[in-house]
Amino acid sequence: QKEVEQNSGPLSVPEGAIASLNCTYSDRGSQSFFWYRQYSGKSPELIMSIYSNGDKEDGRFTAQLNKASQYVSLLIRDSQPSDSATYLCAVNSARLTGGGNKLTFGTGTQLKVEL
Amino acid sequence: KAGVTQTPRYLIKTRGQQVTLSCSPISGHRSVSWYQQTPGQGLQFLFEYFSETQRNKGNFPGRFSGRQFSNSRSEMNVSTLELGDSALYLCASRHGTGPHNEQFFGPGTRLTVL
Repeated sequence: QKEVEQNSGPLSVPEGAIASLNCTYSDRGSQSFFWYRQYSGKSPELIMSIYSNGDKEDGRFTAQLNKASQYVSLLIRDSQPSDSATYLCAVNSARLTGGGNKLTFGTGTQLKVEL
Repeated sequence: KAGVTQTPRYLIKTRGQQVTLSCSPISGHRSVSWYQQTPGQGLQFLFEYFSETQRNKGNFPGRFSGRQFSNSRSEMNVSTLELGDSALYLCASRHGTGPHNEQFFGPGTRLTVL
């Protein structure tokens, strides 16, 4: 079982629709969760972070966390063609010998927003 | 505030050579992590440095090493390059080491090994 799993897609949604991106993780001790957006040929850009169960909203983006189900999701409302990118889910497992952090990334979901 | 910077942006090397990549974190950030990104393996963690000390290391061979300087700038070195080392190498910085600290990536160094 992969530590962080995402559907690779592509996920195609029409412009203006809600895009729903999902991520599951295996380490129950994970404490923080991040969504990054990566355009082709560019580096990942942080969109949102979430640490507590429930929803966190920032503009058109809503992150949802359910630790009991080990599930994180990202909703993008009013999707725009400029949202077309790969979305990476990252999980921070802080239970590491010697301290420190390690972000484990999923393989990403490719989102295509169509006109 | 300036973002994370990485130099060089592109590199072409041949098998057996070694390479050093450089990273300057966001001002005030003391933690620097390095990642390797390839189409087949995705983003994989290499190591993290904080206050000049390696805090954590990923599952990479000893040919991959790094260090951090007192000004938080970091370098990573890959010796005896192999074709499979061709990848985008990403540096990321965060303010501290707590798990909730957000991490920001630099533009990356694209390494091609011929």
